[in-house]
Amino acid sequence: TQLLEQSPQFLSIQEGENLTVYCNSSSVFSSLQWYRQEPGEGPVLLVTVVTGGEVKKLKRLTFQFGDARKDSSLHITAAQPGDTGLYLCAGAMVVISGYALNFGKGTSLLVTP
Amino acid sequence: EPEVTQTPSHQVTQMGQEVILRCVPISNHLYFYWYRQILGQKVEFLVSFYNNEISEKSEIFDDQFSVERPDGSNFTLKIRSTKLEDSAMYFCASSLSVFGGELFFGEGSRLTVL
Repeated sequence: TQLLEQSPQFLSIQEGENLTVYCNSSSVFSSLQWYRQEPGEGPVLLVTVVTGGEVKKLKRLTFQFGDARKDSSLHITAAQPGDTGLYLCAGAMVVISGYALNFGKGTSLLVTP
Repeated sequence: EPEVTQTPSHQVTQMGQEVILRCVPISNHLYFYWYRQILGQKVEFLVSFYNNEISEKSEIFDDQFSVERPDGSNFTLKIRSTKLEDSAMYFCASSLSVFGGELFFGEGSRLTVL
């Protein structure tokens, strides 16, 4: 099982601050996805990155896939209380017989007003 | 907006009992998955299902687990003889494509084994 390490595990910041969370692995992934999970709900996809070095923006969120496709980062600019949640990265493993997502443990973000 | 629905939302069962968790994937999706999340831990892959057969399964998915698509809409996960450590949130997901496709997750079924 390829291991995905996410850091930091917990992050508590004030509204308006910037932050970056990281997702690292020793394995190469065909693609990497970022999800956000609210308490008591299933993960919801934010973005998929496929190409090494790829950068994608989703409003105040910027996602980057490492050149070697082993790591990724999520940067949030001017965080808002609505950004509070668990951010999960998931590496996609495509094998002959199918496909599976391997999740990291997540970064729990709390943004206070 | 189409969504994945799961039932029950919460089930409490005695150790050793059989449990069936049900999912209705998004209607035009072709790939179906079960994941679980033990409280405070990461989301773990259990099994993927395509074309009426298991395409991939993890080490967690042992002989106590089985999946079925009994009709054109439902996708079920059966745990034959539950153990305390099976207590978790079980998420069903579906996707239209396999390569980099978005997984749509249901809201989960919380299983508590006493």
